[in-house]
Amino acid sequence: GESVGLHLPTLSVQEGDNSIINCAYSNSASDYFIWYKQESGKGPQFIIDIRSNMDKRQGQRVTVLLNKTVKHLSLQIAATQPGDSAVYFCAENRGGGSEKLVFGKGTKLTVNP
Amino acid sequence: NAGVMQNPRHLVRRRGQEARLRCSPMKGHSHVYWYRQLPEEGLKFMVYLQKENIIDESGMPKERFSAEFPKEGPSILRIQQVVRGDSAAYFCASSPMTGVDEQYFGPGTRLTVT
Repeated sequence: GESVGLHLPTLSVQEGDNSIINCAYSNSASDYFIWYKQESGKGPQFIIDIRSNMDKRQGQRVTVLLNKTVKHLSLQIAATQPGDSAVYFCAENRGGGSEKLVFGKGTKLTVNP
Repeated sequence: NAGVMQNPRHLVRRRGQEARLRCSPMKGHSHVYWYRQLPEEGLKFMVYLQKENIIDESGMPKERFSAEFPKEGPSILRIQQVVRGDSAAYFCASSPMTGVDEQYFGPGTRLTVT
């Protein structure tokens, strides 16, 4: 069945700390994963993606780690800022001709000043 | 360089009325996706369209919902005879071509059925 879920629904961190948001997926055939950030009242904003032939990818202040053995994905945000406060979703694309993204429920990140 | 545009941003309809949601993809993008989001939940796929073709409508309810992406003009998601359970945020995303997975999302249309 379709299942992309997150371990923690909420995460509260202090400004300047690093944040780690986790995601579990169930379909071993998934070959592409994306992290989106969604602020209140807005559409999802692309943060970073990773393909299944990689286990790590870095962007500006963000790193995505993929562990295919345990079907686990994480998003690391370095030096978290108040502007990072939002709901973060992981999404998977299962390929094989299906273009749809399967989203998890989301983790709400709150950054305290 | 405009992103994905959706209108209206907010739409209020009474039960039984029709709702029409519009989506203009990013310039150069020929693939459009519609997703629905209920409060406190993730997005759920509804339909995937290319110009003049529905590619995957596996997430669309069988009745009352339809979508199109004509050769000219925006993509339209149409909900007939709306019910309170249709109240949600509807997001459109676009991508440039097959094989490019990244989807860019619009700001959404928040539909309220009274």
